[in-house]
Amino acid sequence: DVKVTQSSRYLVKRTGEKVFLECVQDMDHENMFWYRQDPGLGLRLIYFSYDVKMKEKGDIPEGYSVSREKKERFSLILESASTNQTSMYLCASKPLDKYQETQYFGPGTRLLVL
Amino acid sequence: AQSVTQPDIHITVSEGASLELRCNYSYGATPYLFWYVQSPGQGLQLLLKYFSGDTLVQGIKGFEAEFKRSQSSFNLRKPSVHWSDAAEYFCAVGWGKLQFGAGTQVVVTP
Repeated sequence: DVKVTQSSRYLVKRTGEKVFLECVQDMDHENMFWYRQDPGLGLRLIYFSYDVKMKEKGDIPEGYSVSREKKERFSLILESASTNQTSMYLCASKPLDKYQETQYFGPGTRLLVL
Repeated sequence: AQSVTQPDIHITVSEGASLELRCNYSYGATPYLFWYVQSPGQGLQLLLKYFSGDTLVQGIKGFEAEFKRSQSSFNLRKPSVHWSDAAEYFCAVGWGKLQFGAGTQVVVTP
C-alpha cells in the first residue's frame, strides 16, 4: 500500500514565524502535491512537483514556497506565517504514468496561526 | 473556465436509506473523474474513479458512480448507508492536476 506521511497532525505557530510542513511518500512516486483545505472551498492546489528539484505553482501559491531535494520528500514552507494561513494542509503523491492518475493523500496537518 | 460543482453542501440521511451525491463539471474534454471520502480528522481516501469504458463504476464500501457525458455529471450512489458513511465526500476531475469540488458533508441519523 502507498503510504504518505506528514510530519505533524497539529501545529500552532505565531504570526511571522517560518513554518515547515514535511511530506514523505514511500512508493517512489514522481509527482507530489500540496493542497490547503478550507470549509466550503474544498481542496485548492498550492504547489506541485513533477520530480526532484522541479516545482510548479498551483492555484494559490502566494505566501508559500516548496522544496523537493529528494524524490520521497516534498516540503511546504510558509516564509512568514499569517493568520489567513490557518488551515488544513494535505499532501498527495502519484506516479508519473499518465494512466495512473490516482492521487494518494496523507492524513493532513491542521495549522493554527495565532 | 474549468469547474467542479457539488450542489449539496450538506445532506442528512437515515441509516439504511439510499444516498446520492451530485457532481457536475465543466471541462474542455472528458477528464478523469474521482470520488474521495474524508472521515473526521483524516486524509482523503479514494472511493472510485472513472477513466474510460463502462460508465457505471463500482468502488469500495458499496459505493458506485455513474458517468453521464451528456450531463457532464458523475454522481455517487449507495443503496443503503451505514452510520460509518458519515463523512465529507469530494468529487475531483482532471489529469495531472486535479480540481476538487467544495465537498458534501453527509450526516447519518439512526
